[in-house]
Amino acid sequence: KQEVTQIPAALSVPEGENLVLNCSFTDSAIYNLQWFRQDPGKGLTSLLLIQSSQREQTSGRLNASLDKSSGRSTLYIAASQPGDSATYLCAVGGYQKVTFGTGTKLQVIP
Amino acid sequence: NAGVMQNPRHLVRRRGQEARLRCSPMKGHSHVYWYRQLPEEGLKFMVYLQKENIIDESGMPKERFSAEFPKEGPSILRIQQVVRGDSAAYFCASTGGASGANVLTFGAGSRLTVL
Repeated sequence: KQEVTQIPAALSVPEGENLVLNCSFTDSAIYNLQWFRQDPGKGLTSLLLIQSSQREQTSGRLNASLDKSSGRSTLYIAASQPGDSATYLCAVGGYQKVTFGTGTKLQVIP
Repeated sequence: NAGVMQNPRHLVRRRGQEARLRCSPMKGHSHVYWYRQLPEEGLKFMVYLQKENIIDESGMPKERFSAEFPKEGPSILRIQQVVRGDSAAYFCASTGGASGANVLTFGAGSRLTVL
């Protein structure tokens, strides 16, 4: 059974800092890993998708890496902004099932 | 492309009533997932359906909950005889193929409040 853990559970940083969110998973037999953002009371917005054959994906100030062998992914956010404040979820795609981590709640302080 | 549509966005029910949540997947998608998010908690998988088939319902409570995805029309998550503990946000996601190869696209969720 796939288990996905995200550390830290919460993070508060001043505006402008670079930061790293971590995601670890127990079963390395995955198809892909997806990072989502969830704003309070809202749905999920897909940020980045990394296929199992890839090592990283970049979109603007976001960079996600994947190390399947060690069961880890990181989401790097450069030059954080108050608008980045949200909960970030990683989701590990296996065969016919996607398992979510519990999320990291990020607050960027102006 | 309207994306994944969920309705109602908000639903209030009294204990013992039934709740029906609907999910229309993205155009061309034939795979639907339902997740539940309790207040201040993460997303918990409930059920994975393809058209007319339940593929994996390992996350569904054994009683009162059921899901379907008919050949025509939206996927329905049905909760009978609701209790206060059913109050949560219920999210639907769709994908075009087996989950492993495709991006999940989420709806905005249906928020159920049980009085």
